[in-house]
Amino acid sequence: RKEVEQDPGPFNVPEGATVAFNCTYSNSASQSFFWYRQDCRKEPKLLMSVYSSGNEDGRFTAQLNRASQYISLLIRDSKLSDSATYLCVVNYAGNNRKLIWGLGTSLAVNP
Amino acid sequence: GAVVSQHPSRVICKSGTSVKIECRSLDFQATTMFWYRQFPKQSLMLMATSNEGSKATYEQGVEKDKFLINHASLTLSTLTVTSAHPEDSSFYICSARGLDINEQYFGPGTRLTVT
Repeated sequence: RKEVEQDPGPFNVPEGATVAFNCTYSNSASQSFFWYRQDCRKEPKLLMSVYSSGNEDGRFTAQLNRASQYISLLIRDSKLSDSATYLCVVNYAGNNRKLIWGLGTSLAVNP
Repeated sequence: GAVVSQHPSRVICKSGTSVKIECRSLDFQATTMFWYRQFPKQSLMLMATSNEGSKATYEQGVEKDKFLINHASLTLSTLTVTSAHPEDSSFYICSARGLDINEQYFGPGTRLTVT
């Protein structure tokens, strides 16, 4: 089983749609969780950290369920510029704090 | 946010030659730098972790004699791909983390093509 699993997609949605991405992780000792965004042929950029209580940043909402070892990202009112690959990332505190990456979920927002 | 640069951004080299990639943290001291590789349509794969002044820790399956990492200062780490082969063609990305930073900042990546 992969340490971090995501649905690879692709998700094709019209502008204005709401889209949700899911991610599961296998190590219950995971301590930090992130969503990164990666555009084609570019480096990943941090989109948002994910906190236990859930957190929102504009149109983006991230949630964490530690019991189910599940993380989600919700994008509301999607824009063309949201088209990218969204990477779920988990950090194990005791492992030199290295990041464990999911394969990413591809999103295409269409006009 | 913190800034990390990589040089070169793109390099084409012939099989058998060596290529050096530089990663610099521009506005903070990077005690730890990470080197990743990403093949098309795949996720980032961590190759090695380097701490300033000590030997790099390589992930399983990554040949340390082929991918030489030097982290000689708090702002510079280098990755040298020795005797490059076409299968080494990939997107190489570094990231840097300081003592007080709870996240990693990524360089823009280096696209290596070995012909």
